[in-house]
Amino acid sequence: DAKTTQPNSMESNEEEPVHLPCNHSTISGTDYIHWYRQLPSQGPEYVIHGLTSNVNNRMASLAIAEDRKSSTLILHRATLRDAAVYYCSLLPSNSGGGADGLTFGKGTHLIIQP
Amino acid sequence: NAGVMQNPRHLVRRRGQEARLRCSPVKGHSHVYWYRQLPEEGLKFMVYLQKENIIDESGMPKERFSAEFPKEGPSILRIQQVVRGDSAAYFCASSPAQRGTDTQYFGPGTRLTVL
Repeated sequence: DAKTTQPNSMESNEEEPVHLPCNHSTISGTDYIHWYRQLPSQGPEYVIHGLTSNVNNRMASLAIAEDRKSSTLILHRATLRDAAVYYCSLLPSNSGGGADGLTFGKGTHLIIQP
Repeated sequence: NAGVMQNPRHLVRRRGQEARLRCSPVKGHSHVYWYRQLPEEGLKFMVYLQKENIIDESGMPKERFSAEFPKEGPSILRIQQVVRGDSAAYFCASSPAQRGTDTQYFGPGTRLTVL
């Protein structure tokens, strides 16, 4: 049952880069690293996911450590709309054994200062 | 371009009543997941369904909770004889295929309050 640990909260200024860390030391070789975020009173929203290589999309970048025991979500220029709780989760690529769904811890509450 | 829809958005029940939560997945998605979020907590997986089949219910309480995803119509999460501890936000998500590599699209949630 792979788990993740994240800081409870982080604060950043608007238009500055933000690096959100996640530790997942018990990750297995078939686990994908997923990031979601949740704005107040809304459902979670997909941000990015990856397996081994760093990933980029229009929302963010995902930097994955070489040993895969940690990853960092990078928001290149934070805006006020990026203020949310960010969740890191592991999801096996194959079915069979263990829960099929995402499991989020308490996540990181990102505060953006104008 | 409708996303995942859930209704009702807010539901109030008295202890002992039944709660029925509905989820319509993204059109074309045949995989549905239900999650529960207690106040100030993260999401916890409850159950994973494909059309007419429960694939994984390892996160669902053994008693009083049931889920279905019929061939026609929305997925239903049913909670019988609700208790105060069932008060939470219940989120449904759908995906086009199974797990791992696929994005899950979440609905806005149903906030259940048990009096």
